[in-house]
Amino acid sequence: SAVISQKPSRDICQRGTSLTIQCQVDSQVTMMFWYRQQPGQSLTLIATANQGSEATYESGFVIDKFPISRPNLTFSTLTVSNMSPEDSSIYLCSVEPTGGGETQYFGPGTRLLVL
Amino acid sequence: AQSVAQPEDQVNVAEGNPLTVKCTYSVSGNPYLFWYVQYPNRGLQFLLKYITGDNLVKGSYGFEAEFNKSQTSFHLKKPSALVSDSALYFCAVRDSTTGANNLFFGTGTRLTVIP
Repeated sequence: SAVISQKPSRDICQRGTSLTIQCQVDSQVTMMFWYRQQPGQSLTLIATANQGSEATYESGFVIDKFPISRPNLTFSTLTVSNMSPEDSSIYLCSVEPTGGGETQYFGPGTRLLVL
Repeated sequence: AQSVAQPEDQVNVAEGNPLTVKCTYSVSGNPYLFWYVQYPNRGLQFLLKYITGDNLVKGSYGFEAEFNKSQTSFHLKKPSALVSDSALYFCAVRDSTTGANNLFFGTGTRLTVIP
């Protein structure tokens, strides 16, 4: 498995502003992912964060709204840009360790409320 | 297309009784199947998975699940429920033949174990 931390754990933001969420893993991993969990909903994949290249975004998510950085094999950031109340969600990062048996492990999440 | 259905939003069970949380899936290829649990204000915790081999898989906290290919199901079970099992449970699937790593999640089932 892997130990994953996220910062901040929660935040309240004003519409029109941006928030950057950090994800740190205790070991080097190739695969890192960002998910969104809207209130009362399931998880939806936003993008796969690729080390050394641009992130791969899922349908409905764009880089201008959710820019992602992956500077090394243990760290990634997700920025939620120009926020609106519809962006209020829990944002989770996950990793799939090499040799981890196809299993993704999730961070504790960042709970975001946009006013 | 891949999808997961959790037909029950809520499951209530008395402490000490067996519990079942249902999950059915749809993939075009061979499925990798997962169960995760989410406690309040926490991230997702991995419970168990089916990748290949024995259809009955055992996981954390005494949970088990049975892969049934003909019924495309992967129901989560536990012989004797504990109050501490009360949480939100997510089933997830990945199509092993596409090469993609992203998980598709069900909408979640809230389990309440009644003392």
